[in-house]
Amino acid sequence: GQSLEQPSEVTAVEGAIVQINCTYQTSGFYGLSWYQQHDGGAPTFLSYNGLDGLEETGRFSSFLSRSDSYGYLLLQELQMKDSASYFCAVRDRWQAGTALIFGKGTTLSVSS
Amino acid sequence: NAGVTQTPKFRVLKTGQSMTLLCAQDMNHEYMYWYRQDPGMGLRLIHYSVGEGTTAKGEVPDGYNVSRLKKQNFLLGLESAAPSQTSVYFCASRQTGTSEPYEQYFGPGTRLTVT
Repeated sequence: GQSLEQPSEVTAVEGAIVQINCTYQTSGFYGLSWYQQHDGGAPTFLSYNGLDGLEETGRFSSFLSRSDSYGYLLLQELQMKDSASYFCAVRDRWQAGTALIFGKGTTLSVSS
Repeated sequence: NAGVTQTPKFRVLKTGQSMTLLCAQDMNHEYMYWYRQDPGMGLRLIHYSVGEGTTAKGEVPDGYNVSRLKKQNFLLGLESAAPSQTSVYFCASRQTGTSEPYEQYFGPGTRLTVT
């Protein structure tokens, strides 16, 4: 079967750097995505890694190591507005319709 | 562009009642999905569609039915609601093709309570 593991909660202060890890177990792995969801809102796409290495988008970076079945989301220069839940998700090659399998989410709380 | 819209936003049902959730997208996406989100459980796929007139089961399909009569609409039906179906329901869509990053666009959600 497929499974993703990520920490349930992370806390940090404004201006800090935080890393949210994700380990996955799936067959026919295609890529790792990250989504952000503010309380009461819809998930929104943040980043995608199809190949090993680091992808950078402004203050956010995402990393993937396919050999280790591991990835992380790195958030720099944290702001209060970054307080949200972050989900890693995999696109499984054998999942028809290219649906995503989501982790249970990491709640990030940023304090001043 | 409105993106992905969902109606209704909130609904309270009594056990045994039926209802239909409507998802609409104006991005001409082929793929559409219905997820449910429960506290601490992440998003779980209920049903999906890879095109007009096609539907398929996801991870947690029991108690739900879907229809995709028009490309832009994806309906989720609950024939006989149960308290276990109390959840937040999200619809999502995606463009076709093999180009990355396979981003899914989500609607604002429908908060359903079954008493």
